[in-house]
Parts: sequence; C-alpha cells; structure tokens
Amino acid sequence: DQQVKQNSPSLSVQEGRISILNCDYTNSMFDYFLWYKKYPAEGPTFLISISSIKDKNEDGRFTVFLNKSAKHLSLHIVPSQPGDSAVYFCAASASLNAGGTSYGKLTFGQGTILTVHP
Amino acid sequence: DTGVSQDPRHKITKRGQNVTFRCDPISEHNRLYWYRQTLGQGPEFLTYFQNEAQLEKSRLLSDRFSAERPKGSFSTLEIQRTEQGDSAMYLCASQENYGYTFGSGTRLTVV
Repeated sequence: DQQVKQNSPSLSVQEGRISILNCDYTNSMFDYFLWYKKYPAEGPTFLISISSIKDKNEDGRFTVFLNKSAKHLSLHIVPSQPGDSAVYFCAASASLNAGGTSYGKLTFGQGTILTVHP
Repeated sequence: DTGVSQDPRHKITKRGQNVTFRCDPISEHNRLYWYRQTLGQGPEFLTYFQNEAQLEKSRLLSDRFSAERPKGSFSTLEIQRTEQGDSAMYLCASQENYGYTFGSGTRLTVV
C-alpha cells in the first residue's frame, strides 16, 4: 500500500527554467509534509516542509504547495541549477504534535530523479 | 558536532551471517529512527527510539532484526541469518523537534 506516490520517476529541465516535482498521498491523517534531496551514497538532506494548516511555503528558490482537498503537493525550484540534479523524495508524517513542535516517523514516496542541463 | 554518523559505510556479507550496524545520533537529539532503502524506492520506516525506549516497530522488522539504544545514546541494528533480500541501504536519523537529520547510511550487500 503506497501511501505516498511520486508518479514521475524522472524529470529533465534546462538550467534557469522551473522544475516542478509532484507528490500525491492517500492517508488523510498526514499533517506534515517534507521534501528531501538525495545524492548517491549519502543520506537524504532536508529541503523544505509544510504543515497541513498552510497551502504554501517558500525558502529561497524552493516553494512547496499543498492542496489538501486533492491530497497533492508539489515542489517548485526556480531557477533550476545544475547542482540541483539529484533524487527528490517527498515524505509525510501523521504525528505532528498538538503544539506543532515535533513530528514522527516519515512515509516516503519512491523519488523523482531530477536532471538539470546546463 | 558532526551530525549523524553511521558505521560501517559498506558491508558485504555471506548469506546466513549476522551483521550489526551502529548509529551515533546528534548528541542532544532524543529520538532516533532506522529506515531501509532499496533500489528505486524511498526510505521505509523500520523502528524508532525515544531515548532508550523502542516505541514502534514496523512489520518490515522481522524477528531476525533487532535494534537497541542502550543509555539513549548510540543505537545498533542487528540482522541475524542474513538473506539476499536484506540487501539495502540502512539509514539512521535523529530528531529534536523539527530537526530531523539523516546519516549517510550503511550499504549492505548479501552475497
């Protein structure tokens, strides 16, 4: 049962253009969502996150959008750079605590390989 | 503080042998997680500790797997009687509030 799905195994983008990575989820209990970037032979590195009470969060070139009714989130990278080439995972947690200060185990999607061409 | 450390980085073992991996979390982090990642998939949750207490285990964690976190510091993950299907990257992460940091993982190959 794949509760978090990234349906695009790969994405190729020209440098300077926008990269849009998509993620769908099925579990209505998920209330905190994260995007990670991963290089080969390294652990995932946190990029950006969003709580279910928001529909958008920005951090520099990275913006995450959340559509709760569609159970869909997306990561926009603008402008894309060759150094952004990596595997991107979305992840979700169903255990954001009442104070919104912590969350627990993560359920990951399968990942999308992003290649940014110079 | 150098982040989350995992040892060894790579392990090749023969089927049927036992292996043990170690994770040293960020020192002030009280939660520690183990995940497993196979080729073409995202990391899958195995188990987690709050200090020294193991609070949740995934059904992926068969009885050949055991994890410990004595004294709430480092953690070990042992796999007994390894099988080829155990070949994967084993990732450790530690957490304090919103700070969720992964180690570089241990790549296990069972031959």
